[in-house]
Amino acid sequence: AQTVTQSQPEMSVQEAETVTLSCTYDTSESNYYLFWYKQPPSRQMILVIRQEAYKQQNATENRFSVNFQKAAKSFSLKISDSQLGDTAMYFCAFMNTDKLIFGTGTRLQVFP
Amino acid sequence: EAGVAQSPRYKIIEKRQSVAFWCNPISGHATLYWYQQILGQGPKLLIQFQNNGVVDDSQLPKDRFSAERLKGVDSTLKIQPAKLEDSAVYLCASTSPKTQGRYGYTFGSGTRLTVV
Repeated sequence: AQTVTQSQPEMSVQEAETVTLSCTYDTSESNYYLFWYKQPPSRQMILVIRQEAYKQQNATENRFSVNFQKAAKSFSLKISDSQLGDTAMYFCAFMNTDKLIFGTGTRLQVFP
Repeated sequence: EAGVAQSPRYKIIEKRQSVAFWCNPISGHATLYWYQQILGQGPKLLIQFQNNGVVDDSQLPKDRFSAERLKGVDSTLKIQPAKLEDSAVYLCASTSPKTQGRYGYTFGSGTRLTVV
């Protein structure tokens, strides 16, 4: 069974600085997708960034980028130029068929 | 396009009472999911529908939880009788095979259930 592990329950960063959230996963599959979702206090899950396992190039979306290490089964999220609005829970998620499996989340606090 | 709609937004009930949640997915999304998110944890899949048929309900506590998706559109999730440990946020999500790899799921804002 696939599992997703986020080992950092809480992180904090100062505004304009860079922070990296860690995620590891376990699977025997070779084709899958990985996602980072943001969950603000409004509770709605918002897609931040996705990575296809067959692509070696790391995904980038504006201030958000990932470091995807397939052999190590690692998928970290880097947030550059952190903003107050980035304060939220961040969930790493794995999908290989049609089911999303989530990690336990990392609470990120951005300080002024 | 309209998002995934869920109601109610909040619900407080006493243990042993019943409660129902409603979800309207994005138009055209054949696949609908209900997740349970207990405070401090990641969402856990309860049930998956494809159109109006159940694909996976292996994690659904069937002695007290039930769900249906009539006509392959709206869905309701019911708990009867509720227990204290059912206090959680219930998230509904939808997707289509064409978009799930690119966009994952689209989630609603969830219903926060408190059982007292």
